Amino acid sequence: QVQLVQSGSEVKKPGASVRVSCKTSGFTLTTYFMHWVRQVPGEGLEWMGLVDPTGHVFLYGVNFQGRLTVTRDTSRTMVYMDLRSLRVEDTAIYYCVREASHLKDFDHWGQGTLVTVSP
Amino acid sequence: QSALTQPPSASGSPGQSVTISCTGTSSDVGGYNYVSWYQHRPGRAPKLIIYEVAKRPSGVPDRFSGSKSGNTASLTVSGLQAEDEADYYCCSFAGSNIHYLFGTGTTVT
Repeated sequence: QVQLVQSGSEVKKPGASVRVSCKTSGFTLTTYFMHWVRQVPGEGLEWMGLVDPTGHVFLYGVNFQGRLTVTRDTSRTMVYMDLRSLRVEDTAIYYCVREASHLKDFDHWGQGTLVTVSP
Repeated sequence: QSALTQPPSASGSPGQSVTISCTGTSSDVGGYNYVSWYQHRPGRAPKLIIYEVAKRPSGVPDRFSGSKSGNTASLTVSGLQAEDEADYYCCSFAGSNIHYLFGTGTTVT
């Protein structure tokens, strides 16, 4: 079955960078869009960015352009999210998400990774 | 970009129905039939319950239904059950610049 297993919690200082990884299994990574979505505590969900099935197209939300890089390693069936210049307000749960084959919605989610940014 | 607007909370007794609205603009909800809904229980990953406005993924009970009129989408949960207590989020495709917008979330009790 489809599984998205994310790396563990992280604690970072403001200004640092963080990488969250997502191990995928049960499907072919090169045939799906993969996204990252976050939830700031007490707030709603926020779409961050995606990598397309070819691995050559990366799109980012306007709030993350210049700070976010999404990558993938098909040999390891991994997807990564790198967020730079962290701020306290980046404290959130970050989710790795698969876009459904019929497109434009999200049918499988990772378990979430808590990133805490604290001075 | 602004999140789609949902009521903060909704409630009902077991067996009753509850409807959650999701209001956007003609650039997102009103412009595309790509509205999806997610059920999010504490400590768990969100779960897709409605896609393309009104379609249900396999395994989702038909107590969950979706619709759209103009710039507002709606999720109705009929025959409320205790297990339906959760946060519910709408999401809309919003074009090639914004891409995806989520709603502000509604807590159903």
